[in-house]
Amino acid sequence: DAKTTQPTSMDCAEGRAANLPCNHSTISGNEYVYWYRQIHSQGPQYIIHGLKNNETNEMASLIITEDRKSSTLILPHATLRDTAVYYCIVRVDYGNKLVFGAGTILRVKS
Amino acid sequence: GAGVSQTPSNKVTEKGKYVELRCDPISGHTALYWYRQSLGQGPEFLIYFQGTGAADDSGLPNDRFFAVRPEGSVSTLKIQRTERGDSAVYLCASSPTSGKGTDTQYFGPGTRLTVL
Repeated sequence: DAKTTQPTSMDCAEGRAANLPCNHSTISGNEYVYWYRQIHSQGPQYIIHGLKNNETNEMASLIITEDRKSSTLILPHATLRDTAVYYCIVRVDYGNKLVFGAGTILRVKS
Repeated sequence: GAGVSQTPSNKVTEKGKYVELRCDPISGHTALYWYRQSLGQGPEFLIYFQGTGAADDSGLPNDRFFAVRPEGSVSTLKIQRTERGDSAVYLCASSPTSGKGTDTQYFGPGTRLTVL
């Protein structure tokens, strides 16, 4: 699985959009981009995933660049409960395990 | 519906002892995963079951670690002769079908193991 690079931490004001970047320059054609988050003392929670096209669900939007070498997770209106570690993971379409990096610590502040 | 559950939530043991950690996956999920998370790090894959069989155990650190899933549902992670370095949160996840493609993995809350 391709390696991902994320900033160590980010701050966001409550009610504003949180934009979390991820670089995955070695991604190959059959690899998906997944995002999970982990709130303190809980197990990771699935957020969203995509292959080529931008994706949106009730939690977030995922913007993948045309060359697929980077992506951005967008939380449109961050709340204090969105404070968590956010993991960007690249996973082959036939793969099973998730390979987690260190993730980005997002702090949402009032 | 019920999510993935793990018991116990906390386990404290002494070095050299044997421990068992239990995972109850979401009903009907055929794929089950174990991960381990040390403080300040992301989860690390240990083993993956498809049904009753271990399809990928490449993440098990050594032969002190063993996991079973005899009836294709509940799984038990077993650690023999525990060492202080085994202290971590052990996470279990399950997914609906084969574990391939874009199956979403749903995680339990984890078991925090402390080896004194």
